[in-house]
Amino acid sequence: EVELVESGGGLIQPGGSLRLSCAASGFTVSNNYMSWVRQAPGKGLEWVSVIHSGGNTYYADSVKGRFTISRDISRNTLFLQMNSLRAEDTAIYYCARIIGYSSGWYDYWGQGTLVTVSS
Amino acid sequence: QSVLTQPPSVSGAAGQRVTISCTGSSSNIGAGYDVHWYQQLPGTAPKFLISGNNNRPSGVPDRFSGSKSGTSASLAITGLQADDEADYYCQSYDSRLSGSGVFGGGTKLTVL
Repeated sequence: EVELVESGGGLIQPGGSLRLSCAASGFTVSNNYMSWVRQAPGKGLEWVSVIHSGGNTYYADSVKGRFTISRDISRNTLFLQMNSLRAEDTAIYYCARIIGYSSGWYDYWGQGTLVTVSS
Repeated sequence: QSVLTQPPSVSGAAGQRVTISCTGSSSNIGAGYDVHWYQQLPGTAPKFLISGNNNRPSGVPDRFSGSKSGTSASLAITGLQADDEADYYCQSYDSRLSGSGVFGGGTKLTVL
């Protein structure tokens, strides 16, 4: 059974760093396109980043240069390193598996982890 | 401002049919990219509902269907039920935005 479990969220001051993890089971992370999607309080979904099975990575303009997506094959885990955090990064962060490459759909989602950026 | 535009809210009586629109442009829906739909119940993670080729995961009833024409897409829900009340999001791909999936702003469905 496919499962995604995020962790690593919390309260962090502006300018700080946080690393989110997404532990996967039931499939191999490195064989799939994987993405991070966030949702600010009371707002809609916002695509953040994607890592392709071949290792290419892409980012939303709002996080480019500050966030880094990566994966650990041995741990079958996806990561999001977030640096220089801003108040507007406050959101629930979801990891999701993509089926059908870049234009595909997000078939499994984690439960989300809340990141709050505040002094 | 979302790349894909959805109405903020729609409503319908139990048993009726509603549609939720998703309007894009020539660089996403109009370029031929599929549109996919998600349901988000209050306080939960989004759930994959239907893909662009009307592929539904097990457990999603055929009361839910998707369609696309030109630069727009629609999600239709027939036989509305109380537990259909949720937020619905469309998603596609935009060729102007490298690697990016794009989402609509979401539509709150209220079942009267």
